[in-house]
Amino acid sequence: EVRLLESGGDLVQPGGSLRLSCAASGFNFVYYAMNWVRQAPGKGLEWVSAISGSGDGTYYADSVKGRFTISRDNSKNTLYLQMNSLRAEDTAIYYCAKGQLATVTSGGLDPWGQGILVTVSS
Amino acid sequence: YVLTQPPSVSVAPGKTARITCGGNNIGSKSVHWYQQKPGQAPILVISYDSDRPSGVPERFSGSNSGNTATLTISRVEAGDEADYFCQVWDTTYDHGVFGTGTKVTVL
Repeated sequence: EVRLLESGGDLVQPGGSLRLSCAASGFNFVYYAMNWVRQAPGKGLEWVSAISGSGDGTYYADSVKGRFTISRDNSKNTLYLQMNSLRAEDTAIYYCAKGQLATVTSGGLDPWGQGILVTVSS
Repeated sequence: YVLTQPPSVSVAPGKTARITCGGNNIGSKSVHWYQQKPGQAPILVISYDSDRPSGVPERFSGSNSGNTATLTISRVEAGDEADYFCQVWDTTYDHGVFGTGTKVTVL
């Protein structure tokens, strides 16, 4: 069974930093692109970032480019999202999601983790 | 790239619900659809316009042409009540894009 488990969510002050992790199991991690998607309270889904299976391709939404960094450790089957210079508008549930292929810009996202809450507030 | 969905769709049990996703020449892209129930993570219900992942009921189908993609739910059940989101990859900017979302209410 494919499982994705996010961790690292917390309450952080504006301007602060946080690193999210997503532990993957049940599939050959290196063969699949991985994504982060967020959902602000009561709002829709917003794609945040993606990384290819090998890790050599990374992609970001304009809203987080220059502040967030996606990475992966294929030896640990773990995906990361380093979030710096956090703003109130980054408050959301953050989901990691497995791509259907190794390349990022192909396929849907399946499955998703249960999500982790990040709150940016003073 | 902007994907526009109707905010809400209401349908009686046993009838057909159609959820549209509008985008400029969306027919040239692959569209994926997600179902999200309250308090739960989204799940993929249609990929590549019309492919149904394992475990998704045959009542769910998709189509895509021109400027509109459509998710169709036949013989709607109470358990289909959820938010539905379309998604594409904008290969011009290498971004993922989600639609605005549609809340399906079963009357």
